[in-house]
Amino acid sequence: GEDVEQSLFLSVREGDSSVINCTYTDSSSTYLYWYKQEPGAGLQLLTYIFSNMDMKQDQRLTVLLNKKDKHLSLRIADTQTGDSAIYFCAESIMGTYKYIFGTGTRLKVLA
Amino acid sequence: DTGVSQDPRHKITKRGQNVTFRCDPISEHNRLYWYRQTLGQGPEFLTYFQNEAQLEKSRLLSDRFSAERPKGSFSTLEIQRTEQGDSAMYLCASSFGGLDQPQHFGDGTRLSIL
Repeated sequence: GEDVEQSLFLSVREGDSSVINCTYTDSSSTYLYWYKQEPGAGLQLLTYIFSNMDMKQDQRLTVLLNKKDKHLSLRIADTQTGDSAIYFCAESIMGTYKYIFGTGTRLKVLA
Repeated sequence: DTGVSQDPRHKITKRGQNVTFRCDPISEHNRLYWYRQTLGQGPEFLTYFQNEAQLEKSRLLSDRFSAERPKGSFSTLEIQRTEQGDSAMYLCASSFGGLDQPQHFGDGTRLSIL
């Protein structure tokens, strides 16, 4: 079946790196996404990676994909207080346009 | 480039009433999606449109829910005879082109059932 799992909480100090992890079960995933949600707001697309790639870097964000283990991670370098939010991992399944989301990881950045 | 716009942002209604939400996608985006997000959970897919055609519906979309996109631009999501369990954030997203183009989300409509 389709399932995406994330740890619920992560706390880091300002200036440190944050690593948010995600595992998924469907091997037919085509793209994997990271979205950010601030309180009372919708989802902001941060970055995404095609399933045949291993890594993608975009400014402070680095995405790593281990397709064999079905593991995705998002590294945020030099984490700032403005990065405090809930981060969702999502996958798209081959043949459909719907996304399957994880339950989200709440990142708290301590000053 | 304006983003996905949803109206209203908040809706409070009594159980049993009908409610309708509107979504305006990013201009020229041909695909439009509805998701539901309950507290502490990730969004769950409800349905999606390619232009005016509704191409996929989740089993979460009971008979009380109906979505339309009559002219292939804005969309409405109606819930009839609302129940307590309908309380959630309803998110709309849009995209252009194929599977390689990501979905962009609006700020959602938060529905509270009294």
